[in-house]
Amino acid sequence: GESVGLHLPTLSVQEGDNSIINCAYSNSASDYFIWYKQESGKGPQFIIDIRSNMDKRQGQRVTVLLNKTVKHLSLQIAATQPGDSAVYFCAENIGQGNLIFGKGTKLSVKP
Amino acid sequence: DTGVSQNPRHKITKRGQNVTFRCDPISEHNRLYWYRQTLGQGPEFLTYFQNEAQLEKSRLLSDRFSAERPKGSFSTLEIQRTEQGDSAMYLCASSGAGLAATDTQYFGPGTRLTVL
Repeated sequence: GESVGLHLPTLSVQEGDNSIINCAYSNSASDYFIWYKQESGKGPQFIIDIRSNMDKRQGQRVTVLLNKTVKHLSLQIAATQPGDSAVYFCAENIGQGNLIFGKGTKLSVKP
Repeated sequence: DTGVSQNPRHKITKRGQNVTFRCDPISEHNRLYWYRQTLGQGPEFLTYFQNEAQLEKSRLLSDRFSAERPKGSFSTLEIQRTEQGDSAMYLCASSGAGLAATDTQYFGPGTRLTVL
């Protein structure tokens, strides 16, 4: 089958370890950020979001950190599992409706 | 399943033919978006609707592309005179029962178009 992960940065982690995926965004006016997970042949799946008035938000096994000073976003996945293997995209919204996606990072989890 | 649905899932066509894709958003969502994704890239915005009104179109949406959402529910994306460069995954997303542009967008499974 085809892969959405061709030519993407790859992060390889051992099952059970924590993963950190980083993203630099482009527009200082962006006020809403989202992380999506995309498995091969599927549409992006919402993971977690954060608004610009926050610098940290936690979900189940995931944490998003936002550093507006350097326009940096990160996704932390605790106790990474094989089912977490996918391509992860950050996306920014400057309040006009459309999302601007980053290039994506392919996460590979080794059992 | 009450998520976003798209049909067909796969479409293979010959260059020069017209194709039409359908998206059914999450019920009650008033915003609907179309994106295009090529291999190894993130989705790129094409256009979006609030109810039946098309509010924004990307410059990626050439005059061969047209999108409609006549009753404010499902939407169609038509590509006329397809070219090999149109080969991509076409993704639909929907958001919001409210009016906030920053409501979370939920994506459908996409339609994979291959132009021969």
